[in-house]
Amino acid sequence: QQQVKQSPQSLIVQKGGISIINCAYENTAFDYFPWYQQFPGKGPALLIAIRPDVSEKKEGRFTISFNKSAKQFSLHIMDSQPGDSATYFCAASIQGGSEKLVFGKGTKLTVNP
Amino acid sequence: EPEVTQTPSHQVTQMGQEVILRCVPISNHLYFYWYRQILGQKVEFLVSFYNNEISEKSEIFDDQFSVERPDGSNFTLKIRSTKLEDSAMYFCASKDYNSPLHFGNGTRLTVT
Repeated sequence: QQQVKQSPQSLIVQKGGISIINCAYENTAFDYFPWYQQFPGKGPALLIAIRPDVSEKKEGRFTISFNKSAKQFSLHIMDSQPGDSATYFCAASIQGGSEKLVFGKGTKLTVNP
Repeated sequence: EPEVTQTPSHQVTQMGQEVILRCVPISNHLYFYWYRQILGQKVEFLVSFYNNEISEKSEIFDDQFSVERPDGSNFTLKIRSTKLEDSAMYFCASKDYNSPLHFGNGTRLTVT
């Protein structure tokens, strides 16, 4: 119930292409869904986040699509750049209380020049 | 931009020894967390801390683990008797009421 399932495990995209990473959750009490970007040797950094009252959120080249009925959400990176090469984690939490994040297993994205 | 600061960046210890991992959260934040990431795996929640007490802990956070906020700025994670399987990257994180979670760059703990 507390799991967040993420796919694919790894993704190789050409520069300028679209990167798509998918996540699914089971706990309908989750009400906050962030995506984190992690470079080697660094901590996860918040990229973009969404709450279930909207179906899409866009910030620059990054878009979250959210499907509440399917309990799925995805990250789309448009015009992918070599600098986007990193590991991406989806996560979910319940606002209020401890607000702990439950993370997916991560997707290693490689953008080839 | 304010940062969560963790020290040391790398700690090597022998099995059975005690280690203390140190963190300085962002100054106006009220919620503090420890997460860990075993090499190549997902980030896992260990413990959350608010108002000078643990608000939630995971099954990983057993009696060998403890947290403390000894003063107004530091937040520590102590592992009393380290095991080989405690080898991981440990991340401290903090947040305010309406802010997202900010992570430090982690302490890599190697238990030999």
